[in-house]
Amino acid sequence: AQSVTQPDIHITVSEGASLELRCNYSYGATPYLFWYVQSPGQGLQLLLKYFSGDTLVQGIKGFEAEFKRSQSSFNLRKPSVHWSDAAEYFCAVVTLGYKLSFGAGTTVTVRA
Amino acid sequence: GAGVSQSPSNKVTEKGKDVELRCDPISGHTALYWYRQSLGQGLEFLIYFQGNSAPDKSGLPSDRFSAERTGGSVSTLTIQRTQQEDSAVYLCASSLETSGWGTDTQYFGPGTRLTVL
Repeated sequence: AQSVTQPDIHITVSEGASLELRCNYSYGATPYLFWYVQSPGQGLQLLLKYFSGDTLVQGIKGFEAEFKRSQSSFNLRKPSVHWSDAAEYFCAVVTLGYKLSFGAGTTVTVRA
Repeated sequence: GAGVSQSPSNKVTEKGKDVELRCDPISGHTALYWYRQSLGQGLEFLIYFQGNSAPDKSGLPSDRFSAERTGGSVSTLTIQRTQQEDSAVYLCASSLETSGWGTDTQYFGPGTRLTVL
């Protein structure tokens, strides 16, 4: 079955530093991949998605992600983190054409 | 326009009681989904509606859980005889349609935090 794995449970980064969150997928064909962010007490907000084409995807809030088939990865990056980026981030893959299967999430803490 | 709304935002109930959770999707969205977020299980799919029909109920954890959708809009998730393990955040999402390819963006509501004492 298609699935995603987020190896890092928690990451701490200094404000202004770069951030990279890892996501590995398990799927035979080209997966449809998503990154969502959840701020405390909030629902999930879509950051970006990948279906096909250009493997570097730009999203909202200055985030980008790169699809690498050879590494089965879809890592999320941001060049310079702001304190407001502290949140939980979820990678997800669509299965059966509609069902989102989420990774365990990575909590990002931003220190001043 | 308005996003997905859910009510109540918080619900505390006693073990054995029934609860109803409501979801108002984005206007015009034909597809609606329920997910559950708990500490032990992470984010899990519960059920998917296309219009008023639920072609996939495979994620409902037991027969105490049921859901319906009326008028192609509002959905209600009902949990009967609640148990402590039902404590979780219940998230609703909607999308414009389900293309069948998985490319439709799902927009999530803020969730209902259910606590079963």
